[in-house]
Amino acid sequence: ELKVEQNPLFLSMQEGKNYTIYCNYSTTSDRLYWYRQDPGKSLESLFVLLSNGAVKQEGRLMASLDTKARLSTLHITAAVHDLSATYFCAVGNTGTASKLTFGTGTRLQVTL
Amino acid sequence: DGGITQSPKYLFRKEGQNVTLSCEQNLNHDAMYWYRQDPGQGLRLIYYSQIVNDFQKGDIAEGYSVSREKKESFPLTVTSAQKNPTAFYLCASSMGQAYEKLFFGSGTQLSVL
Repeated sequence: ELKVEQNPLFLSMQEGKNYTIYCNYSTTSDRLYWYRQDPGKSLESLFVLLSNGAVKQEGRLMASLDTKARLSTLHITAAVHDLSATYFCAVGNTGTASKLTFGTGTRLQVTL
Repeated sequence: DGGITQSPKYLFRKEGQNVTLSCEQNLNHDAMYWYRQDPGQGLRLIYYSQIVNDFQKGDIAEGYSVSREKKESFPLTVTSAQKNPTAFYLCASSMGQAYEKLFFGSGTQLSVL
């Protein structure tokens, strides 16, 4: 059974600081996704990572994937208040089209 | 505008009552999904459908039922057998190919009276 763990579960950081969110998964997978969710809202797709060593960047967020370590990271550079949200990683179950297992989420709070 | 529409935004269920959550998409996507989100938790898959008139159970299907009579629509019924239905329900869709990301609706908050 595929299990996905994120840490930390909650992160409070000051504006301008850097930090990394970690996503570990338990079995082989060929795809990993990062999503953002604002309180009471839907999920917004951030990144799709499909191969070992894949790195994607959008603004102050950068995601990477190490399939051998079964680890993905979401790095935040010089955080700003607008990045406050909950971030989820989701891992694809190999052989099952688009069926995803989600992590528990990391709630990020960026303070002034 | 293409997208996924969930309704209602808020729904209240009485003891012993079945309620149905609506999900409609105009993205021409083949696959549709229902996820449940509890406070402070990740999403858990209830049911998914990769093609019209076919659907599969997810990880927590007990107490729920679905139908897929049309490509655009994937309603979820929360039956009286679901003893703890209070949660945020999210519908999603995708082209159904293995590497496609999911597109999510805005969600329905279901509460028990």
